Order: sequence, then C-alpha cells, then structure tokens
Amino acid sequence: EVQLVESGGGLVQPGGSLRLSCAASGFTFGNYWMSWARQAPGKGLEWVAKIKQDGSEKYYVDSVKGRFTVSRDNTNNSLYLQMSSLRAEDTAVYYCARDPGVGQGSGWSYWGQGTLVTVSS
Amino acid sequence: EIVLTQSPATLSLSPGERATLSCRASQSVSSHLAWYQQKPGQAPRLLIYDASNRATGIPARFGGSGSGTDFTLTISSLEPEDSAVYYCQQFNSWPPLTFGGGTKVEIK
Repeated sequence: EVQLVESGGGLVQPGGSLRLSCAASGFTFGNYWMSWARQAPGKGLEWVAKIKQDGSEKYYVDSVKGRFTVSRDNTNNSLYLQMSSLRAEDTAVYYCARDPGVGQGSGWSYWGQGTLVTVSS
Repeated sequence: EIVLTQSPATLSLSPGERATLSCRASQSVSSHLAWYQQKPGQAPRLLIYDASNRATGIPARFGGSGSGTDFTLTISSLEPEDSAVYYCQQFNSWPPLTFGGGTKVEIK
C-alpha cells in the first residue's frame, strides 16, 4: 500500500525557517518525480515545488523561489521541503504527492494527509 | 502560466440530480487534466485522470470529458456523500502546475 506521511509542521515566526519531511512507503520512491502542494486556510490548492527522481531537476512556484528548497533522499525514501524567510502568506496545510510515473495518466493518485504550517508572531 | 477557471463557484442540487462542473484553460492542455474531490479536513482524492479516465475505485456516476481548453466533470446522480469541493489540475505545461479555483457542490 502506497503511503505518504508528512511531518515537521508547526508555528513559526515571520522570517523563520522550517523543514518539512514526507516519508514514502509502498512503492519504489526513486522511480517517481515528487511534488509539494499547499492549501491556505479556506482557500484552494497551489502547487509549490517538484523534484526529479534523482534530484537533478527542481522547479518552484514563483512565490517561493529563493526561499524554499525541495530535496530528497532515495536511500531513506524521504522528500523534504526546507522553508526559510517565511511569511504570513505561507500559512497553509502542506501536502506531498507522488507524480505520475512513465506511462501513467496525468493525476496525483497519492497524497499525504498534510501538515499545517502557521507563520505568525 | 496556464490559468484554469472553474465554474460555477457553488452548485446546490438535490440527491439524484445531475451535476455539471466546468473547467476552462487559458490555453490548450490537450487531455492532460485531472479532477479531484476534497472533503473538509481531508487530502484531495483523484477522481479523473487524462480528462476522461476514472481513477481506481471511483464510482461510475463520476465522468469526465473534454480536451484542449474546455473540460467537464459530470456526476450523473448525486449522492449525499458527494458534497465536497472539486478541483481541476493541468499537467500539460509546467512549471507551474496549476489548479482551478474549485467548485463547491452542496447537497440540498
């Protein structure tokens, strides 16, 4: 069974940093692109970042470029999101998701349960 | 950036009625579009991939259609448990991957 479990969320002051983790199981983690998405309270979904299987390509939404860094550890089946210079508008539930594999349809079949990040003084 | 516009924002219907949700893209996304259902406090669930294919375990009352810029999610006969927010997402051109703003379906 595929599982994605996020952790690391919490309350942080504006300008602070936080590192989110996503533990993956039930599939060959190193074979898939992985993504982070977020959802501000009462708002819609927003894609945040994406990383290639071997970590050689990374992409970000403009609003987090230069502040967030996505990384992965294929040995330990883990995905990370290092967040710095956090702002109030980064307050959201953060989800990790598995991108479609080769030959698979366009859609995120697997999501984590989400971890809440609150940026407030 | 491809902008996805969903309409209507809210849909209020009775059980057994047909729901038609729209997702319009600012430029062609071919068939690289997915639909999700999200209930309060839960992660989104994939309903439809590649515009018209039901994901594993999704009831047959959910159907997707369209290609290019205009897409539709149809719920043929609403059940009470279909009360949720529905999002579309495009995979054709990224970064960024983009989502629509969502349609809230309320069951009377």
